[in-house]
Amino acid sequence: DAKTTQPPSMDCAEGRAANLPCNHSTISGNEYVYWYRQIHSQGPQYIIHGLKNNETNEMASLIITEDRKSSTLILPHATLRDTAVYYCIVKDISYGKLTFGQGTILTVHP
Amino acid sequence: NAGVTQTPKFQVLKTGQSMTLQCAQDMNHNSMYWYRQDPGMGLRLIYYSASEGTTDKGEVPNGYNVSRLNKREFSLRLESAAPSQTSVYFCASSSRDPGSTDTQYFGPGTRLTVL
Repeated sequence: DAKTTQPPSMDCAEGRAANLPCNHSTISGNEYVYWYRQIHSQGPQYIIHGLKNNETNEMASLIITEDRKSSTLILPHATLRDTAVYYCIVKDISYGKLTFGQGTILTVHP
Repeated sequence: NAGVTQTPKFQVLKTGQSMTLQCAQDMNHNSMYWYRQDPGMGLRLIYYSASEGTTDKGEVPNGYNVSRLNKREFSLRLESAAPSQTSVYFCASSSRDPGSTDTQYFGPGTRLTVL
């Protein structure tokens, strides 16, 4: 699986959009970009995934650059409950293993 | 619909003791996984089962055994616990049906301390 690079930490004000970047310059054509988050000591929670088109669901939006070498997870109106570690993972959809890096610690403050 | 459940939630063992961590899912998923998470680190795959009746090693399988008891249940056994196995253990499952997104759903974790 391709390696990802994320900033170790970010801050965001409550109610504002949180934009979390991820670099995956070695991504291959059959690999998807997945985002998970882990709220303190809980099991990771799936957020969103995409191949090359932008995606949106009830939790977040995922913007993938045209060359697919980077992506941004957008939480449109961050709340205090969005404080968590966010993991960007690149994975072949046909192979089950998730490779977790260090992730980005997002802190949402009042 | 409970999703992925794990028992026990907490466990303290002495070095050399054995125990089995239990995991069950009620989503009719084909694949199941065991991960461990050490403090300040991401999750690492121990073993996985792509489908009922099959198991494969992940990144850190040494010291562990697994059993895919049926489609719902996937257990992780520590035969002789060591302090290096002190960690939080997460079980996960995914559909992996053709055309599925292979989203993995995680349980709440088992916090294991080996003294």
